[in-house]
Amino acid sequence: GAGVSQSPSNKVTEKGKDVELRCDPISGHTALYWYRQSLGQGLEFLIYFQGNSAPDKSGLPSDRFSAERTGGSVSTLTIQRTQQEDSAVYLCASSLVAGGPVFETQYFGPGTRLLVL
Amino acid sequence: GNSVTQMEGPVTLSEEAFLTINCTYTATGYPSLFWYVQYPGEGLQLLLKATKADDKGSNKGFEATYRKETTSFHLEKGSVQVSDSAVYFCALISNFGNEKLTFGTGTRLTIIP
Repeated sequence: GAGVSQSPSNKVTEKGKDVELRCDPISGHTALYWYRQSLGQGLEFLIYFQGNSAPDKSGLPSDRFSAERTGGSVSTLTIQRTQQEDSAVYLCASSLVAGGPVFETQYFGPGTRLLVL
Repeated sequence: GNSVTQMEGPVTLSEEAFLTINCTYTATGYPSLFWYVQYPGEGLQLLLKATKADDKGSNKGFEATYRKETTSFHLEKGSVQVSDSAVYFCALISNFGNEKLTFGTGTRLTIIP
C-alpha cells in the first residue's frame, strides 16, 4: 500500500517568509510525528499527534513553529518568519497507534528539504 | 533525559568485511531500541528493533542485541555488501504514551568493492 507522503519535496524560501509543509500518513495510522534532520542537530523530535488527544509539542524549537492535524489524517507543519537556522529536512512519520502495550513501528516519509536564504 | 550515543563515522569497509557500529543509550524506564537506515536518496527505514533486555533484532543479515547491563545495542553484520552503503541511526523510545524517537547522530557507512 501507499507509504507516508510529504509535499513539497523541496522548498526554497526567503528569510522572514512563512512556509507550510504537508504530510499524508499511511491510511489507518492514528499516530503522526514530525522530526527535523539538520547538520548541526541531527534527527530531533518536533511534535506528535495521537488520535484526538492534545498533541505533544515538547520538541517544537520556538513559537514560530506550529502544526495541525485535520480530521485525524493529514498534517501541516507551519513555520512563520523563517530563519536560516530553520534550514533542514523535515520528516513525517506515522504508526498504527501509540500508547499501547507494544511500541508500534514508525514509518517515515521521504521528507521535505527546506532551504531558507 | 534520554540520549543515544553512536559510533562516529564515516566508516569505510571492503566488501565482505565484518561490521560493528556501536550504540549506547541512557533512558528512564525500559526503552525499546531500534536501528534505522537511510539509503542514498531514500527515506528512513526501520532495519531492526528489540523491545526488552536480551532480545535480538535481526534483518537483512544485520543483528543487534539489547544489553541492559551495558546499556548497549551494537549493530553487527558478518559480511557487508556494497548495497549496505547508507547512514545508520540508533534510536530509542522510552515511556508509554510519549513515543517520540530519540536518535543517535548517525553513522555513514561506505562499502567499497
